[in-house]
Amino acid sequence: QVQLMESGPGLVQPSETLSLTCTVSGFSLTSYNVHWVRQPPGKGLEWMGVMWSGGSTDYNSALKSRLSISRDTSKNQVFLKMNSLQSEDTTTYYCARGYNNYVMDAWGQGASVTVSS
Amino acid sequence: DIQMTQSPASLSASLGETVTIECLASEDIYSNLAWYQQKPGKSPQLLIYYANSLNDGVPSRFSGSGSGTQYSLKINSLQSEDVSIYFCQQNYDSPPTFGGGTKLELK
Repeated sequence: QVQLMESGPGLVQPSETLSLTCTVSGFSLTSYNVHWVRQPPGKGLEWMGVMWSGGSTDYNSALKSRLSISRDTSKNQVFLKMNSLQSEDTTTYYCARGYNNYVMDAWGQGASVTVSS
Repeated sequence: DIQMTQSPASLSASLGETVTIECLASEDIYSNLAWYQQKPGKSPQLLIYYANSLNDGVPSRFSGSGSGTQYSLKINSLQSEDVSIYFCQQNYDSPPTFGGGTKLELK
């Protein structure tokens, strides 16, 4: 059974760094891609970036200067780090399994993050 | 970036009705179009990929069509469990981009 689960702090201070972990099961990180997507409350979806199955990454140019995605295949985990957080980064962050490049065929339950002092 | 414009933004329909949601891309995406369903309080789920291919487990009352820049999602015989927000997404080019969503409610 394919599962993804995001974990991380629910509250981050402004200007600090957000660190999220996506723990996967039911598939291998070396066979499938893992995307990060975020969704502000009541709004649409924004693609953030991807860890390709081969180990390389691709980022949304709007976030690239602040974003880093990495992985630990031995732990079945993909990590997202984003620095210089501001209030507009208050949103739900999802990790999703990628099928055929940018199609996302399984999603985690989401991690809600609030940026506030 | 490729812009995706969805219409309508919201839609109210009765049980058993057929509804159609449209998605317009700012350039040709060669059928690299997916539809996602997001039920209230839940994460998005893939319904359709490559414009008209149904994902495993998705009821056959859902169908997708289109080509070039224009695509649509049709739901036949609307059920109560179809109340959701629906998003289209182009996966032709990076960054993949989503439409603004269509909120489907029961009348």
